[in-house]
Amino acid sequence: EDQVTQSPEALRLQEGESSSLNCSYTVSGLRGLFWYRQDPGKGPEFLFTLYSAGEEKEKERLKATLTKKESFLHITAPKPEDSATYLCAVRRSQGNLIFGKGTKLSVKP
Amino acid sequence: GAVVSQHPSWVICKSGTSVKIECRSLDFQATTMFWYRQFPKQSLMLMATSNEGSKATYEQGVEKDKFLINHASLTLSTLTVTSAHPEDSSFYICSASTGRGNQPQHFGDGTRLSIL
Repeated sequence: EDQVTQSPEALRLQEGESSSLNCSYTVSGLRGLFWYRQDPGKGPEFLFTLYSAGEEKEKERLKATLTKKESFLHITAPKPEDSATYLCAVRRSQGNLIFGKGTKLSVKP
Repeated sequence: GAVVSQHPSWVICKSGTSVKIECRSLDFQATTMFWYRQFPKQSLMLMATSNEGSKATYEQGVEKDKFLINHASLTLSTLTVTSAHPEDSSFYICSASTGRGNQPQHFGDGTRLSIL
């Protein structure tokens, strides 16, 4: 069964304290892994797409990496404005996305 | 670019009422639109996929007669919750994609539906 598991469920960091979020997946016919950021009461905001193992993408303090079984979202020197829920999703061969439950990140000043 | 607008953002209505939610792609043509439902602290659950000009494809367990989807143009899809009941209360989110290659889905800001 296709599945996406994110860990941890919640993460509290001090401003400037770097860390990583994990997304483990099992899917047949992977057609891309996507990271989104979701603020409370809002829809997900697209961050990155990764297609093949070894691929990396960066945007400001965020860096996403991909292996054959998991993806990491590294956050370097986070700021309070990085606080949000980060969602991972995989696209199946049929084209639809399967989402994980997300990691709720809180960054305290 | 890739802006998706969803309206309304919040709806409160009585049980038995039908509610229509609109999803528009503002700066691109969306061949495919998706409708999701999200419960607190849960992941987004795909309800249905709609392609412009054709009938929507519903996920298993989603009642197509209750959740009517229309995708009449490349920039507009609507979800109508018919005869809504309290158990239909949820956060509904649409997304849109050009459908080309592996382009990402871009999401609207969701509609909070509360049925009294």
